[in-house]
Amino acid sequence: DGGITQSPKYLFRKEGQNVTLSCEQNLNHDAMYWYRQDPGQGLRLIYYSQIVNDFQKGDIAEGYSVSREKKESFPLTVTSAQKNPTAFYLCASIRTGTNTGELFFGEGSRLTVL
Amino acid sequence: AQSVAQPEDQVNVAEGNPLTVKCTYSVSGNPYLFWYVQYPNRGLQFLLKYITGDNLVKGSYGFEAEFNKSQTSFHLKKPSALVSDSALYFCAVRPPGGNTGKLIFGQGTTLQVKP
Repeated sequence: DGGITQSPKYLFRKEGQNVTLSCEQNLNHDAMYWYRQDPGQGLRLIYYSQIVNDFQKGDIAEGYSVSREKKESFPLTVTSAQKNPTAFYLCASIRTGTNTGELFFGEGSRLTVL
Repeated sequence: AQSVAQPEDQVNVAEGNPLTVKCTYSVSGNPYLFWYVQYPNRGLQFLLKYITGDNLVKGSYGFEAEFNKSQTSFHLKKPSALVSDSALYFCAVRPPGGNTGKLIFGQGTTLQVKP
């Protein structure tokens, strides 16, 4: 079955450490997205990529970095510069070529900073 | 600023009763509208969308939503609620001409269906 796989599901980090969240999709989607979810705030866009080797900042990119070396993969690094990294992170993808499609989401990664 | 509002943090209904989860938006032009559902510690699942045409849209699991352009609303409805419908529901908007995956989300509404 096609879908989006995020790992790890749960991650604990000490302050000052960088962590990388994995996102892999086998939907053959060109565009991929990272959203952050905090309680009572909905989802906010961190970064997105419409094509391999290209990506753009979203609304809350500070303290995060991404890469898109392969179509299937879009890892997110939460750096030590992110002041409040504890959150639920969601990776998503969408079929391009039409603007009426819907986002497909992974199961999420919960990051807790100790 | 463009925004989506879900005015109720929580909606409580009894099983078998109809349910409504409200959503209003502030976006110029004719946006595309979406509803997603999230179960605890899971990703979001797509329920339905409005692009154009009939104002009443039917989606997954018996849910439907009514688009009202004059009131800029897109309320989610179901005629008969199930306990298994209990979850967090998000309304989202794609502004006209915007990137396909850049959605503006509401803050979410927790639906609690009691037996």
